[in-house]
Amino acid sequence: AQTVTQSQPEMSVQEAETVTLSCTYDTSESNYYLFWYKQPPSRQMILVIRQEAYKQQNATENRFSVNFQKAAKSFSLKISDSQLGDTAMYFCAFMGRRSQGNLIFGKGTKLSVKP
Amino acid sequence: ETGVTQTPRHLVMGMTNKKSLKCEQHLGHNAMYWYKQSAKKPLELMFVYNFKEQTENNSVPSRFSPECPNSSHLFLHLHTLQPEDSALYLCASSQVIGLRTDTQYFGPGTRLTVL
Repeated sequence: AQTVTQSQPEMSVQEAETVTLSCTYDTSESNYYLFWYKQPPSRQMILVIRQEAYKQQNATENRFSVNFQKAAKSFSLKISDSQLGDTAMYFCAFMGRRSQGNLIFGKGTKLSVKP
Repeated sequence: ETGVTQTPRHLVMGMTNKKSLKCEQHLGHNAMYWYKQSAKKPLELMFVYNFKEQTENNSVPSRFSPECPNSSHLFLHLHTLQPEDSALYLCASSQVIGLRTDTQYFGPGTRLTVL
């Protein structure tokens, strides 16, 4: 069975600095997708970034980028120039390419951006 | 707000009540999902519907009964719930492309409290 592990329950970062959130996963599949979702306090869960396992190039979305290490089954999220609005729970998630939408989440990392 | 809405946003019910949660997506998707989000636990997938047909029931107790009358609407009917069912219930939707499902987009959730 696939599992997703986020080893950092809480992190904090100063505004304008860079922070990296860790995620590891376990699967026997070779084709899959990885996601980072953000859930601000009392607000909607939104997609931050997505990576397809067959693509070697790391995904980037503005200040958000990933370090995808397929052999190590690692998928970390780097947030550059952190902003107060980045304060949220961040969830790493895995989905097998042939799964029927079965998205498997980690427990999340609570990120606090301090002024 | 994404294109996924949920009502009500908050619900308090007794263990003998019957209530329903509603989800509507305005994204033209054809897959819809119910998740349960409890404190200190990863999001748990409950049900998946593709083109109105249920494709996944993740061993959910029968006191939760889903209904998907069309690709835009999803309901979760609740009856004789237990206090441990108190949680945030999230709805999501995605496109189905061939044999795979695409990125899931989430609604704001219904915060359910069972007394």
